[in-house]
Amino acid sequence: AQSVAQPEDQVNVAEGNPLTVKCTYSVSGNPYLFWYVQYPNRGLQFLLKYITGDNLVKGSYGFEAEFNKSQTSFHLKKPSALVSDSALYFCAVRAFYGNNRLAFGKGNQVVVIP
Amino acid sequence: DTEVTQTPKHLVMGMTNKKSLKCEQHMGHRAMYWYKQKAKKPPELMFVYSYEKLSINESVPSRFSPECPNSSLLNLHLHALQPEDSALYLCASSQGGTSPHEQFFGPGTRLTVL
Repeated sequence: AQSVAQPEDQVNVAEGNPLTVKCTYSVSGNPYLFWYVQYPNRGLQFLLKYITGDNLVKGSYGFEAEFNKSQTSFHLKKPSALVSDSALYFCAVRAFYGNNRLAFGKGNQVVVIP
Repeated sequence: DTEVTQTPKHLVMGMTNKKSLKCEQHMGHRAMYWYKQKAKKPPELMFVYSYEKLSINESVPSRFSPECPNSSLLNLHLHALQPEDSALYLCASSQGGTSPHEQFFGPGTRLTVL
């Protein structure tokens, strides 16, 4: 079975400060990892994914994530947070030999304080 | 066109009504998904269609009936729903096959069952 843990319920950060949203995963074999963001009353938007190769993945809107196999983590980062980054962030994992079923984490509410 | 559209945006129905949710994409994707999402929770997978065939049914009650008329369209037929079925229903699509393609989500239909 595959699963994702997002340990924090809410992440508060001052505008201009670095933003980190944590994610750890559990899956048999190699993982495929994704980050999505959801703004109020909207669907999920894809930010980035790790498939293979470079452990540092760059995505949309200045976000990046680092894959760490030994720590089974895939933390999302942004060097300088904007108020408009306030949203709900979901980490998701899919097994290498799996079907199209994604396992989502519970989500992290990010609040960027002006 | 990189958009998934869903209609209607809002739907209020009684427990004896029959209604349908519609989803459309013109990205040439061959996998389409229905998710149910409660407020501040991760999306829960309901159904997956791959190349117009139902490939995953997550033990969804029969009062939800999916249909994929062609590769661009996905419907969810609703009948005799319960108040606990009130939620945001999200449609998503991705490229077909077993590769880990990201899913593109529509804005959702906000369903209220009275």
